[in-house]
Amino acid sequence: AQSVTQLDSHVSVSEGTPVLLRCNYSSSYSPSLFWYVQHPNKGLQLLLKYTSAATLVKGINGFEAEFKKSETSFHLTKPSAHMSDAAEYFCVVRGGGNTGKLIFGQGTTLQVKP
Amino acid sequence: GAVVSQHPSWVICKSGTSVKIECRSLDFQATTMFWYRQFPKQSLMLMATSNEGSKATYEQGVEKDKFLINHASLTLSTLTVTSAHPEDSSFYICSARARDSKDTQYFGPGTRLTVL
Repeated sequence: AQSVTQLDSHVSVSEGTPVLLRCNYSSSYSPSLFWYVQHPNKGLQLLLKYTSAATLVKGINGFEAEFKKSETSFHLTKPSAHMSDAAEYFCVVRGGGNTGKLIFGQGTTLQVKP
Repeated sequence: GAVVSQHPSWVICKSGTSVKIECRSLDFQATTMFWYRQFPKQSLMLMATSNEGSKATYEQGVEKDKFLINHASLTLSTLTVTSAHPEDSSFYICSARARDSKDTQYFGPGTRLTVL
């Protein structure tokens, strides 16, 4: 069965410093992985996705993630945090079969301090 | 980009009443829609998957008679919480997947349900 584990429930960074949100996955085959962001009172927005193409995936708003099979990781990074990046971030893996089910990690709250 | 709307955005109801939440794909046809539930400061839990014109598939532990899902058209799915109780209070989120999209789901903004 597919699953994801977000290693940090809360991350705090200063504006302008790098962001690292960690995610490990478990999958019996090559997974499809996603990062979503949830701002208060807004719908989830797709930041980026990995679907067995390039292992370094670039997303919106300067975010990127690298798929590392040897480490079963899919960490999200951004070189320089902006105040508007403060939100809840979810690492997600697509479930098996043809259902297209998404399995969400527990989420990481990103706090950006001025 | 693809837009999914939900209505209402929030609702307060009395215990024992039923509440209907609508999920619409505004600019694409959604062959599959998903309903999630999110408790405060927790992750999203998939409740059910609905394909247009067929019965919804419920996740283990989700009562299909309590959470009625209808997906009558390619742009509309509804979730009805029947005989609501305070423990049903939660944030309900839908997502929609287009016909030719294997992986990408577009999420609605969510509906906050409070049962008194």
